[in-house]
Amino acid sequence: GAGVSQSPRYKVAKRGQDVALRCDPISGHVSLFWYQQALGQGPEFLTYFQNEAQLDKSGLPSDRFFAERPEGSVSTLKIQRTQQEDSAVYLCASSREETQYFGPGTRLLVL
Amino acid sequence: DQQVKQNSPSLSVQEGRISILNCDYTNSMFDYFLWYKKYPAEGPTFLISISSIKDKNEDGRFTVFLNKSAKHLSLHIVPSQPGDSAVYFCAASAHTGNQFYFGTGTSLTVIP
Repeated sequence: GAGVSQSPRYKVAKRGQDVALRCDPISGHVSLFWYQQALGQGPEFLTYFQNEAQLDKSGLPSDRFFAERPEGSVSTLKIQRTQQEDSAVYLCASSREETQYFGPGTRLLVL
Repeated sequence: DQQVKQNSPSLSVQEGRISILNCDYTNSMFDYFLWYKKYPAEGPTFLISISSIKDKNEDGRFTVFLNKSAKHLSLHIVPSQPGDSAVYFCAASAHTGNQFYFGTGTSLTVIP
């Protein structure tokens, strides 16, 4: 499989727990994006990396959200002290030019 | 504030007929538009795109039309097939930015 992969596919967390979501982009794709998709909504932008540089994090909803891509490949989205409103599908996408290719997402449920 | 809108949450079409999915946007800076298809428990899959320098792009059964003056785009699927049943998202971006703005999706059901 040469597509974008994400793990875990499903995560249940108790309120207040920290979670880490992983994204493996398509090999050679310079750009990597994280989106949050709430039920019944379209994906909403969280943050963008070009190689290891985080160029835009304007969509991160609070300082509890943190993303990194230290070697310009795999990326991790970390959510600290999870809240119920963080429950959503977190999508990762990568691109080389204009079209973004999405992974299957991680469905996070915070109880 | 929703910059990309899909006002029809659902659409049902008979197999073999045309499906028309609509999308409106408000930001005149958008110059690149895409349609994604999403099955349950999967990520969105890229379907077709169009740049603002064109008003039509065709790929097999799928055609996207762009009306810049109306800030409107549509996806035509003809003939529709049961396997086309999915949620369709339109997305837009501006060359000055990096993110895509998505609509809320239209759930298409193609009835055999």
